[in-house]
This record gives sequence, structure tokens and C-alpha cells, in this order.
Amino acid sequence: GAGVSQSPSNKVTEKGKDVELRCDPISGHTALYWYRQSLGQGLEFLIYFQGNSAPDKSGLPSDRFSAERTGGSVSTLTIQRTQQEDSAVYLCASSLRQLQETQYFGPGTRLLVL
Amino acid sequence: AQSVTQPDIHITVSEGASLELRCNYSYGATPYLFWYVQSPGQGLQLLLKYFSGDTLVQGIKGFEAEFKRSQSSFNLRKPSVHWSDAAEYFCAVGAMNTGNQFYFGTGTSLTVIP
Repeated sequence: GAGVSQSPSNKVTEKGKDVELRCDPISGHTALYWYRQSLGQGLEFLIYFQGNSAPDKSGLPSDRFSAERTGGSVSTLTIQRTQQEDSAVYLCASSLRQLQETQYFGPGTRLLVL
Repeated sequence: AQSVTQPDIHITVSEGASLELRCNYSYGATPYLFWYVQSPGQGLQLLLKYFSGDTLVQGIKGFEAEFKRSQSSFNLRKPSVHWSDAAEYFCAVGAMNTGNQFYFGTGTSLTVIP
């Protein structure tokens, strides 16, 4: 079956613009995770969805970041008024249920803010 | 606060030599522990995971890891490294009591020399 897909694969934007990153999880996976991977850094947890709900949004770096998930499937991570420090690879992962399940990662969206 | 430490940023080993990648975690209860591998141009892939039971867990590609509660460690090992093992390795801990957040280490980059 299809894996986790993310779009776009690459995004170049100007400082101050808004961007939307999309994640299509594996069909039937109820848990969905967003991470950020900056150069030379590990993966930074951003947010977790169980179904359409995000129990904990404290991982989002600032109020410029928001995420939603609709229909228990597709998720969108939105970054408003992008800053240069937002440049990173944004990874999405899904799992069958939750924490103890294997997470399957997408290829990521590489975001560059000029 | 929960955290994961991978003290070795970069390791170089000869093909056929044994490998041990270190991982230490900080967590108040028994954690869910994972090792993921990120090969060049590839997405993250689960190598193995530990939740409970036997503290020595076997994974894919000939890897194994041992959970040592007394040392708060979950080191990854392989008896004989292959050139294709060159990649970035991430240790992660899942913490249910923090809203299913996942904490990744900063990764260890493995170079394999012929």
C-alpha cells in the first residue's frame, strides 16, 4: 500500500509569507505526528493528532504555527509570516493508533525561507 | 523533563567491525524506546523498539539494542557492519504522560570505511 506522502517536496518562500504543508498518512492510521528537522539537529516534535484532535499543542514553536487534521486523514501544517529560522525539513509520520506503534515517516517537505 | 542524549555525533567504523551507538534517556517511568535510521535520500525507518519484557530486542538489518534501566540507556549494536549501514541513526523515547510526545536525540552519523 501507499506510504505517507507529503507535499510539496520543496518550498522556497520569502520572509513574511504564509506557507501550507500537507501530509497524507497511511490509510487507516489514526495517529499523525509532525516534526521539524533542522540542519545538524535531531527531530523536534511539533504536534500529535489522534483522529482529528491534537491533545497537546505545546510543541509548536510559536503562535505562527498551526495544524489541523480533517476526516481523520489529511493534515495541514501552516506557518504564518515565515521567518528565516523556520527553514528546515518538516516531517510527517503516522501510526496505527498511538505511541507504542511504529511510526511511518513521509519523505518530508524542505522549506527554505529567504 | 524528558530528554534523549546521543553523545556521539559522528562515528567511523571499518566494514566488518562491530558497532555500538549510545543512547541515554531521561524519563520518570518506563519509556517506550525506539531506534530509527535515516539513509541518504531516504525517509526515517524503524530499526527496533522496546516497550517491556526481554531487555534485549532484535531489529531489522541485524541490529539489536539492550535496555538497561539502571543506566537509563538503550544502546544499539551490530556485530558486523556493512557499507550499506552508513546513515544517520536516531534514538527516540515516547512518553505517554506528556500527551504522546516523542523525543528524538540529535542523531549519530555513521561512516563505514572499506
